[in-house]
Amino acid sequence: AQSVTQLGSHVSVSEGALVLLRCNYSSSVPPYLFWYVQYPNQGLQLLLKYTTGATLVKGINGFEAEFKKSETSFHLTKPSAHMSDAAEYFCVGGGNKLTFGTGTQLKVEL
Amino acid sequence: SQTIHQWPATLVQPVGSPLSLECTVEGTSNPNLYWYRQAAGRGLQLLFYSVGIGQISSEVPQNLSASRPQDRQFILSSKKLLLSDSGFYLCAWSAGGGYGYTFGSGTRLTVV
Repeated sequence: AQSVTQLGSHVSVSEGALVLLRCNYSSSVPPYLFWYVQYPNQGLQLLLKYTTGATLVKGINGFEAEFKKSETSFHLTKPSAHMSDAAEYFCVGGGNKLTFGTGTQLKVEL
Repeated sequence: SQTIHQWPATLVQPVGSPLSLECTVEGTSNPNLYWYRQAAGRGLQLLFYSVGIGQISSEVPQNLSASRPQDRQFILSSKKLLLSDSGFYLCAWSAGGGYGYTFGSGTRLTVV
């Protein structure tokens, strides 16, 4: 069965610090991987995606993620956190039917 | 450009009442359409998906149903709501494969 695992349901960082949200996927997940962000009471917004080609993908708001097939990982990073980054982040894998991770709530503290 | 509309944004319904949530997509044809539910503190649960008019696949047995009467219209319904149907409902569309999904803004349903 396909699975996407996000390590850490809650992550807290200081403003200006590195953001690292971890995601691992099962090898049965097709190599389409996405990160979505959800602000309270809103839909999900696509941050970035990996389909083919360069394994380091850049997204909106300064986020990037690296596809590492050998580690079956697709971790999301941002060099410097901003207060506006506080939201829930979902790692997602698959093709026509997506498999969602359970989400990581990011808190940014002053 | 493609847009997705979902309404209403919030809804409070009594137990046992019917439900109809509507989702429409503009700017594309033959999209894959999806209904998800997000319960408080939990991830997204796929409820239904459709790859064409009249073609509905159900992922989770429950008292909800879905219909796709037109190519770009997807409706989520219930004849009698339960308290456990409360949650945040999201509609999404996709062109398939590596395109990912585009989500609607969601409907917050509270069953009282």
